[in-house]
Formats: sequence, structure tokens, C-alpha cells
Amino acid sequence: QSVLTQPPSVSGAPGQRVTISCTGSSSNIGAGNDVHWYQQVPGTAPKLLIYGNYNRPSGVPDRFSGAKSGTSASLAITGLQAEDEADYYCQSNDSSLRGSCVFGTGTKVTVL
Amino acid sequence: EVQLVESGGGLVQPGMSLRLSCAASGFIFDDYAMHWVRQTPGKGLEWVSGITWNSGTIAYADALEGRFTISRDNAKNSLYLQMNSLRAEDTALYYCAKDHYSSSWYSLDFWGQGTLVTVSS
Repeated sequence: QSVLTQPPSVSGAPGQRVTISCTGSSSNIGAGNDVHWYQQVPGTAPKLLIYGNYNRPSGVPDRFSGAKSGTSASLAITGLQAEDEADYYCQSNDSSLRGSCVFGTGTKVTVL
Repeated sequence: EVQLVESGGGLVQPGMSLRLSCAASGFIFDDYAMHWVRQTPGKGLEWVSGITWNSGTIAYADALEGRFTISRDNAKNSLYLQMNSLRAEDTALYYCAKDHYSSSWYSLDFWGQGTLVTVSS
């Protein structure tokens, strides 16, 4: 079971801003572990979107931004586009699980 | 161009074994840790196992209860997952993924397309 909790779904109209939360605990995000975000378009493999809380890999539009505070993190998408409709997952490490990787529960973003 | 190509999936009966492989290219394989991540159809991502560049550190998800073994052959640029005592709940698409670092778990920079494992009688 996932130890990082995300809202099941968020939606917005084209051009709007949406945010996705990722809530953890003192053994993962709150322990100082970095948070990473992935985008998964249906039928395709996940793609790294944000690493190290707020860094974008080459090629990722600056419409995507990440932040972290305390035991939570968030992903913001500004200027929402139809192509942003996908599932989004956060990921971190958890010291209570021998440093294992843990993923969030996932959030479906729908562009209205 | 980084490429990760998984193989070895298929239909297997409960209790049987299966070995997955991941062929890597386009980067210096033994400079990075590697992972297996699985996804049940229509569900979320579940980390399965990780291995550092020299196999010095290996970790597994607790839920696997010791049934899976990860390994790598740096000479062959390949990652493996030996899965024993398979159960219906192991049915999933299994992804191979490259870590950002060599000796610890961080972000998974690149992913393969996955290989489907179906456990059913």
C-alpha cells in the first residue's frame, strides 16, 4: 500500500492552474527525502516530470513546477493544456521501509 | 538515446516461476542503480526492487515476502528479476527503470515500456 497520499482526481479548463498534493509523513518526505513527480499518459510508460522537489528534466515545459514543505509536496500545472491529461505520481524514499522507494497513490488530471 | 527493453513476461500458473530481463543501451549501465516497478492494470505504481551499480545494495518491497530476486550483469548491460512462487496478485505490467544515481535510490529518470506478467490457472 502507498504511504504517500494524493487526491484521486483534479480537473481544470484549458489555461487554468491545477495543483496536486502529495502527503507523506516524518519517515519519508518529512525526513528530508526529496520528492519526484512522474507523468503517465494512458497506455504509455511513466515519464519523469520533476526531480529533487522542483527541478525539471530537459524538455519538460516550465508550466510544470514542484514544491515541498514539511511532510508534503505539490505539483502545479499552469496554463493547462489538453495534452496534460494524464495520471501523475509522486515518489520519495521511506526510512521506515529500509530506505525503499515509495510512490503516491496517483492523481488523474482531466482537462475539461 | 537511452533505451530499456524488458522481456520475459507471459502467462504462468500460480506457484510457478518466471525470470524477467531488461536490456539497457544508450548510457553507461554500470554507472547507475536500477529498479523494477510494477503496475496492476488500471491501478497505481508499486516499487518492487532496486539494485545499486555494483550490486552492493539490494532492496525489496516488504510485500514480496522474499519471493523475488533482483540481479544485474554489467558486462551484458542487463537487469533481471527472478520471480518465484507467483501469485495472482503478482499479475501486473513490470517496468525496468534507471535511477539518477549509482549508489542510492533517487528519481527514476528513464523507464522501459514494460513486460506483462499474468498469473492465472
